[in-house]
Amino acid sequence: KAGVTQTPRYLIKTRGQQVTLSCSPISGHRSVSWYQQTPGQGLQFLFEYFSETQRNKGNFPGRFSGRQFSNSRSEMNVSTLELGDSALYLCASSLGGRGSLQETQYFGPGTRLLVL
Amino acid sequence: DAKTTQPTSMDCAEGRAANLPCNHSTISGNEYVYWYRQIHSQGPQYIIHGLKNNETNEMASLIITEDRKSSTLILPHATLRDTAVYYCIVRGDNYGQNFVFGPGTRLSVLP
Repeated sequence: KAGVTQTPRYLIKTRGQQVTLSCSPISGHRSVSWYQQTPGQGLQFLFEYFSETQRNKGNFPGRFSGRQFSNSRSEMNVSTLELGDSALYLCASSLGGRGSLQETQYFGPGTRLLVL
Repeated sequence: DAKTTQPTSMDCAEGRAANLPCNHSTISGNEYVYWYRQIHSQGPQYIIHGLKNNETNEMASLIITEDRKSSTLILPHATLRDTAVYYCIVRGDNYGQNFVFGPGTRLSVLP
């Protein structure tokens, strides 16, 4: 099976712009989670989508949003970019049901965003 | 906050076993111990997980103490490619719970 894919891999934006990142989960996986990783804060959970519904949300401002499509692919959007949004954005997919095997997450390679 | 405590860094000689400890003294009955690793600038890689029994797969072994308050990830024959940050995560089996990553242990495998 192909792994989790994320596009684009690298992105440069300027302050005030918005950005959309894309994630394609492993085939058959219905849950997609997003994480932000920075040197200062480490890996932090953004949100999780399952069956096109946000099921869980981390402590990030409303500028960060996401959605999931019927084929389980997901996008996240960051509006009004700030310098502090520069980070590695990681997507992870899982089967999404109940139980440890269903919930084991598999990560993509990430999108590295640089905000100038 | 992460529910686990790990050493900040460890060294291991190439070819030797790497034993990475993790303390999770507040773990509850339905919570699993997961291990991931992250090689520089790549996405975290799932290694193994367990509830109370020891587990082994092609990558590693997971030893969980009888009281479940600590565990050890064992890489039996470490190679230079095992140099990475290793994360120990405690998580329940209810869907919708996110994985909480702490700072992890930076393992350096030395030639």
